[in-house]
Amino acid sequence: DAKTTQPNSMESNEEEPVHLPCNHSTISGTDYIHWYRQLPSQGPEYVIHGLTSNVNNRMASLAIAEDRKSSTLILHRATLRDAAVYYCILRDHGGSNYKLTFGKGTLLTVNP
Amino acid sequence: NAGVTQTPKFRVLKTGQSMTLLCAQDMNHEYMYWYRQDPGMGLRLIHYSVGEGTTAKGEVPDGYNVSRLKKQNFLLGLESAAPSQTSVYFCASSGYQETQYFGPGTRLLVL
Repeated sequence: DAKTTQPNSMESNEEEPVHLPCNHSTISGTDYIHWYRQLPSQGPEYVIHGLTSNVNNRMASLAIAEDRKSSTLILHRATLRDAAVYYCILRDHGGSNYKLTFGKGTLLTVNP
Repeated sequence: NAGVTQTPKFRVLKTGQSMTLLCAQDMNHEYMYWYRQDPGMGLRLIHYSVGEGTTAKGEVPDGYNVSRLKKQNFLLGLESAAPSQTSVYFCASSGYQETQYFGPGTRLLVL
């Protein structure tokens, strides 16, 4: 599985935008970039995913570099409830690979 | 619509005891997964299932067995618990190549 690299931790202030980076230099053509987050004492939850184009949903935006070797998860206005571990995961949508491989993720702290 | 539920929420076992963790989903998903999460680590896949009656090994299958007798249930068994199996266990389910939905987790302590 292609690997991702994320900072161990980041800090933000409430109501400010947050940009969470992810490097994936060995990404293959069929790998989608998925983001999940894990709130304290809960199971992970899906945030967003994309292949080449930038994506937006009600939770966040995903900006993907033109060469696809990096991506950024954008929370437009962080709230205290966004404090969580954010995981950037590459998932091959080709063939029969439906597994997620989690790294250590980025621990986001949101200050009031 | 409860999503993914896990039973029990917390359990303490002695070394050598056995137990079964139950995962249930009401979303009619074909795929189900069992992960474990150790402190400060990401989740690691133990076993998964691509449909009723099927199971397959994940990244860390040793010491665990699974069964998928009904589409909505996925059971994880520990035949002889060891302290190294102290962890938080998460179950997830998904449709084909779709988002995975996770349960709330089961905290297991093996003494």
